[in-house]
Amino acid sequence: GAGVSQSPSNKVTEKGKDVELRCDPISGHTALYWYRQSLGQGLEFLIYFQGNSAPDKSGLPSDRFSAERTGGSVSTLTIQRTQQEDSAVYLCASSRDRGNEKLFFGSGTQLSVL
Amino acid sequence: GQSLEQPSEVTAVEGAIVQINCTYQTSGFYGLSWYQQHDGGAPTFLSYNGLDGLEETGRFSSFLSRSDSYGYLLLQELQMKDSASYFCAENRDDKIIFGKGTRLHILP
Repeated sequence: GAGVSQSPSNKVTEKGKDVELRCDPISGHTALYWYRQSLGQGLEFLIYFQGNSAPDKSGLPSDRFSAERTGGSVSTLTIQRTQQEDSAVYLCASSRDRGNEKLFFGSGTQLSVL
Repeated sequence: GQSLEQPSEVTAVEGAIVQINCTYQTSGFYGLSWYQQHDGGAPTFLSYNGLDGLEETGRFSSFLSRSDSYGYLLLQELQMKDSASYFCAENRDDKIIFGKGTRLHILP
């Protein structure tokens, strides 16, 4: 596809359940980011993948959050034992290469934890 | 803590000029970029400053002063469609970190 694709666009889950969010970056982009955005708030950095290097996980808020990137392309963000405070829009972005400041964002996944 | 500081809201009149400021911490800093986000939409890239000075792209310009750890986004000839949130973002240690955003309100 031409842009960053995220799925699902909306996810409603019950407290305590696990969820998986998917991101398909732009083909050929080596850098991939996950951010979280609560309503009316800024973009909170979660994790950064660059090529085959070890990811920068410094923004993950707790050990319930994890992410992987398979084959340097598709990424999955997993939230275990979801809590109501996890409700937010989860945005994925990719860029052409390391440290490239021009990020291309997906439309995000709106996660609602009831 | 938050390393980027920008005003939470700015109000301006249609047709006018508005400046949105951003200050940052210097440790590990490589450059400053700006993004626009309309309500319900995804952020989109506007501009980047890696060196001191002014970058111009149509009605939008961005400025960086490394000596002052400061930058700004300048929007000219404001249009109602410019009503959005604007985020400064720093390239720090190879990853992109965003400020909390400035909500721009435009009055007719």
